[in-house]
Amino acid sequence: AQSVTQLDSQVPVFEEAPVELRCNYSSSVSVYLFWYVQYPNQGLQLLLKYLSGSTLVESINGFEAEFNKSQTSFHLRKPSVHISDTAEYFCAVSDYRAGGTSYGKLTFGQGTILTVHP
Amino acid sequence: DTGVSQNPRHKITKRGQNVTFRCDPISEHNRLYWYRQTLGQGPEFLTYFQNEAQLEKSRLLSDRFSAERPKGSFSTLEIQRTEQGDSAMYLCASSLRDLKRRKPNTEAFFGQGTRLTVV
Repeated sequence: AQSVTQLDSQVPVFEEAPVELRCNYSSSVSVYLFWYVQYPNQGLQLLLKYLSGSTLVESINGFEAEFNKSQTSFHLRKPSVHISDTAEYFCAVSDYRAGGTSYGKLTFGQGTILTVHP
Repeated sequence: DTGVSQNPRHKITKRGQNVTFRCDPISEHNRLYWYRQTLGQGPEFLTYFQNEAQLEKSRLLSDRFSAERPKGSFSTLEIQRTEQGDSAMYLCASSLRDLKRRKPNTEAFFGQGTRLTVV
């Protein structure tokens, strides 16, 4: 079984400031890691994912996350946020087993609401 | 591709009534998932299908809940004898898992959800 803890339920920041949304996970097996974003009145959208390889993964809109196996963390960062980044962000894990489940059965954290102020 | 579609978007029902939600996945996706999200929480896994086979059900899925995917395309989630505690957003997602490795596996793509309010 896995669990995901997002350490901050709300993060207010000013535009152009850096931001970090924290995520820690617990699992007895190896996992895939994801960040999903939910804009107001929209569905969940994948922001970025770690499956294997380089521990630093990046999204097309400037977010990045680093997988730290020893810390069991997958924190999300952006060096300079925009008003349009205001949304709820969810960290999620999926059980990785060779030949087993794909990455659709997810365990989510509670979510972090990022509010960017002008 | 229009993405994952869920209907209705909103449903208000009286306690004790039955409700049914529909999910149309992305057309080439063979896996379909149902989640429930309550206010202030992340989505919680309920069940998933590979084609028409229901492969796993969460303990959250009481016997009042039933999900089907009769032809491996769209899916329905029915809640019988609804209770106020069933009020939540019900999310559907789909993904591709190609066991023959002809196409890359994909992550889950989510629909916009059906918001159920039981009064």
